[in-house]
Amino acid sequence: GAVVSQHPSRVICKSGTSVKIECRSLDFQATTMFWYRQFPKQSLMLMATSNEGSKATYEQGVEKDKFLINHASLTLSTLTVTSAHPEDSSFYICSARLGASTDTQYFGPGTRLTVL
Amino acid sequence: LAKTTQPISMDSYEGQEVNITCSHNNIATNDYITWYQQFPSQGPRFIIQGYKTKVTNEVASLFIPADRKSSTLSLPRVSLSDTAVYYCLVGATGGGNKLTFGTGTQLKVEL
Repeated sequence: GAVVSQHPSRVICKSGTSVKIECRSLDFQATTMFWYRQFPKQSLMLMATSNEGSKATYEQGVEKDKFLINHASLTLSTLTVTSAHPEDSSFYICSARLGASTDTQYFGPGTRLTVL
Repeated sequence: LAKTTQPISMDSYEGQEVNITCSHNNIATNDYITWYQQFPSQGPRFIIQGYKTKVTNEVASLFIPADRKSSTLSLPRVSLSDTAVYYCLVGATGGGNKLTFGTGTQLKVEL
């Protein structure tokens, strides 16, 4: 149980284009999902918290107009990187929180974004 | 959010028990302690979670002293496939459940 999927697993795009990444909780409903970014040899950095039916909460320094998050259902959250640039190339990982009483987050497999 | 401190790296050999200790001096009363494992180019995988004393599951044990200012992840009889980065995190249900990842511990298991 507690499986989280991401699609696509990797994407290569040209600079200036937008890329959408999907995060799905496959066997449970997630009222809260999280988006992280990880650069090579570094730890995960939380970008934003996504709550179903409401606006996402972004961490300091993360541009909300560049990283659009939509959490339209209890099993799906999307991250759209708008007008992507080479410096946005990174490993993007989502997680979904199981239950409301613990901090157990289950992570997706990640999406490797390469912007040319 | 409580900050965690872990060793940057550890080396071990197959078949040995590995203990990774994490310090979290500022842990709050309602914080849980969670450990994740991450392989390269993969999302973190949940290993174990605890609040106090000892927790054991099929893959690891988690030891938490009474003051909860540290915790130790114990991996029995490691194998090469346990080579990964291990993250210790603390978080509270009342804090929006945000998890702050520290540097993690790179465990390298050799023959």
